[in-house]
Amino acid sequence: GEDVEQSLFLSVREGDSSVINCTYTDSSSTYLYWYKQEPGAGLQLLTYIFSNMDMKQDQRLTVLLNKKDKHLSLRIADTQTGDSAIYFCADLGSSNTGKLIFGQGTTLQVKP
Amino acid sequence: DTGVSQDPRHKITKRGQNVTFRCDPISEHNRLYWYRQTLGQGPEFLTYFQNEAQLEKSRLLSDRFSAERPKGSFSTLEIQRTEQGDSAMYLCASSLNTRGDEQYFGPGTRLTVT
Repeated sequence: GEDVEQSLFLSVREGDSSVINCTYTDSSSTYLYWYKQEPGAGLQLLTYIFSNMDMKQDQRLTVLLNKKDKHLSLRIADTQTGDSAIYFCADLGSSNTGKLIFGQGTTLQVKP
Repeated sequence: DTGVSQDPRHKITKRGQNVTFRCDPISEHNRLYWYRQTLGQGPEFLTYFQNEAQLEKSRLLSDRFSAERPKGSFSTLEIQRTEQGDSAMYLCASSLNTRGDEQYFGPGTRLTVT
């Protein structure tokens, strides 16, 4: 079945760039998403990318998609302590039902 | 609009009891989803509604679980005869079924079965 994998932990210094990586297995993926989850909270949609795009930029966030390698990344420029959270990559696949397949999440720690 | 809301936020119950959770989606959204998230994991899909019709159910949704969306607005998720393995965060999301199908999540209901 479809699978999404992420590295579990990333630590950066405030002001540096963070790059969170994700790989997925479904070659029919249509949309891929990045969500942020703070402790005890629900998921906040950050951005998403359509599978025929290579890159999408939204303020401090840049999403890169390598469809050939099934690799997705999220770059956060000028990382702040408020960016500390768990980041989830999610794959919509080719399903028409909206079922999202999530990775296990990457914990981003931002040190002052 | 205030976004997706869920009630209660926390529920502690004894094994064997029944529990019911409620989700109120963003008002114009016609799609509603339930996911379950256990500690250290990403959310896992449980079920999905398009308006009042339940169109897909995960194999994770055993016979003890039932979900409804009677008028195509709010939804309820009931768990009968709860087990300790049901302890998790239950997340609801809604979307507008447009290109991109952006799903917006509620704060979740944390269930603890003792």
